[in-house]
Amino acid sequence: GENVEQHPSTLSVQEGDSAVIKCTYSDSASNYFPWYKQELGKRPQLIIDIRSNVGEKKDQRIAVTLNKTAKHFSLHITETQPEDSAVYFCAASKNYGQNFVFGPGTRLSVLP
Amino acid sequence: GAVVSQHPSRVICKSGTSVKIECRSLDFQATTMFWYRQFPKQSLMLMATSNEGSKATYEQGVEKDKFLINHASLTLSTLTVTSAHPEDSSFYICSAPVRGVLQETQYFGPGTRLLVL
Repeated sequence: GENVEQHPSTLSVQEGDSAVIKCTYSDSASNYFPWYKQELGKRPQLIIDIRSNVGEKKDQRIAVTLNKTAKHFSLHITETQPEDSAVYFCAASKNYGQNFVFGPGTRLSVLP
Repeated sequence: GAVVSQHPSRVICKSGTSVKIECRSLDFQATTMFWYRQFPKQSLMLMATSNEGSKATYEQGVEKDKFLINHASLTLSTLTVTSAHPEDSSFYICSAPVRGVLQETQYFGPGTRLLVL
């Protein structure tokens, strides 16, 4: 079955700097890759996603890149702010949204 | 976006009791819902897929007699933790998919924090 790895497990950056979180997946049939942000004790919230037929997607300060050949995708956050501090989970899915497998998460801390 | 609610938000119970958690899709119908368990500082682990009108599909290692799932309607799925024990203490989250033109998007409930004493 699918296996999703995520690095780093923790990340601290200064406010205003960029943060990059990388995920790798094992199943080449996966075709949909969402990223979720989860604040302490709250539900995961979808922040950005990418389909396998797209190499990059951007939404304001957040971008995701996908390398299908290498089977990895990355989340990029620019101009980080303290409110970006949270745990970020990547996920891989086949059938464009079904059968999610989550990565272990990255705890991002943005230091003021 | 779509809204998924969960009730209760937190529950404390004694060991040996059963606890029911409700997951509702408020503004859309969900023939399928997913139940996850999340231990502190860990990822979401899929427990089971709840199917309206049929039996739930459980992931390997999840006891179906321990975690009873009932998908009674197109907007409601319930998870009952039977004879709860301290090791069942966790954060339980449900999600429901909304099918779009290009893909399904999962919307998560706010979660239920279960503490078994």
